[in-house]
Amino acid sequence: GAGVSQSPSNKVTEKGKDVELRCDPISGHTALYWYRQSLGQGLEFLIYFQGNSAPDKSGLPSDRFSAERTGGSVSTLTIQRTQQEDSAVYLCASSPSAGARTDTQYFGPGTRLTVL
Amino acid sequence: DAKTTQPPSMDCAEGRAANLPCNHSTISGNEYVYWYRQIHSQGPQYIIHGLKNNETNEMASLIITEDRKSSTLILPHATLRDTAVYYCTPNTGFQKLVFGTGTRLLVSP
Repeated sequence: GAGVSQSPSNKVTEKGKDVELRCDPISGHTALYWYRQSLGQGLEFLIYFQGNSAPDKSGLPSDRFSAERTGGSVSTLTIQRTQQEDSAVYLCASSPSAGARTDTQYFGPGTRLTVL
Repeated sequence: DAKTTQPPSMDCAEGRAANLPCNHSTISGNEYVYWYRQIHSQGPQYIIHGLKNNETNEMASLIITEDRKSSTLILPHATLRDTAVYYCTPNTGFQKLVFGTGTRLLVSP
């Protein structure tokens, strides 16, 4: 079946501009995560949505970052007034969270953001 | 806050088995061992997970020691497309994922 999709695959923007990154999770998955990965670095958690619960925003690096998830499906990560240090690959993952004893996250291909 | 130790790199000949070790000595009782891999410029790909029993799927086998402090991922017949960075990570499955530095596996002809 269809996996997690993200758009755009690449985004080049100028410092100070706002950007929106989109994630379409696997159909039926109730949990959705955003991470970012800088060149040669590990995963950095950003935000987590689970069903209708309040999102866990503990990983957002500044108030320039925000995310929403509409209708429990598609999610948008917005970065306002982008800075060069925001350049990274932004990854989205979803998981079924269907009451099983454990849960597995499946990742999308990522959006490569370059801030000039 | 990665809690794993993996060799930084390994080589494997195409068609041979690749055995990738991981130490996770501080794993909690409710944490599974998850394995992911990341091929260059792609998102992480889920491979397999297990709690205490050995597991096998179409991609790999997972051997977990009885004390659960270490595990080995086995790719039975490595191909060139298996060249990637492999990460093991203890996780309950309901937490953010944390990757360490992983093992860079190079499969050669």
